[in-house]
Amino acid sequence: SAVISQKPSRDICQRGTSLTIQCQVDSQVTMMFWYRQQPGQSLTLIATANQGSEATYESGFVIDKFPISRPNLTFSTLTVSNMSPEDSSIYLCSAAGAIGNTIYFGEGSWLTVV
Amino acid sequence: KQEVTQIPAALSVPEGENLVLNCSFTDSAIYNLQWFRQDPGKGLTSLLLIQSSQREQTSGRLNASLDKSSGRSTLYIAASQPGDSATYLCAVREDDYKLSFGAGTTVTVRA
Repeated sequence: SAVISQKPSRDICQRGTSLTIQCQVDSQVTMMFWYRQQPGQSLTLIATANQGSEATYESGFVIDKFPISRPNLTFSTLTVSNMSPEDSSIYLCSAAGAIGNTIYFGEGSWLTVV
Repeated sequence: KQEVTQIPAALSVPEGENLVLNCSFTDSAIYNLQWFRQDPGKGLTSLLLIQSSQREQTSGRLNASLDKSSGRSTLYIAASQPGDSATYLCAVREDDYKLSFGAGTTVTVRA
């Protein structure tokens, strides 16, 4: 199995600021993704993080709000820009591809915007 | 667009009772289906993965079945324990590794 580490695990952020979440996988993977889980809801895919190129965003998510980087096969970052209280969510990194068909998730980063 | 539904939304049972959690999906052209567990404020732990060609998977007290043609999966948890209290999420994967999640079933096992 793969171990996915996310930092920070939890943060309280001021409205209008930006925060970058880091995701590190302990083995090389083909695919990395970022999901959002708003309070009381299930997970929604934000984007696919592509190595060395721009991320592929799902409908309703844009690069200016959620810039994503993936400089190598094991690391990715998600920035939540110009935060508002509606951005208060758990943000989860996931990975798949080099470790069989199972898709693995990090512990999540729980952001509260005040 | 794939739609995943989980019923019931919540379940409360006494310890020792068997749990039955249901998941349905609208597009049967799936690559596989995965069941996850999520504890409050935490990430997801993968429980079982069923390939589209399989009918069931078992791990300890957990058994998951898949009927792809009817768009259904069921997760059975035998002899439930208070430690099984969590939210259980069903997710279907299509060709591109993207997952479509259900809203989850929140389970409470009473001691």
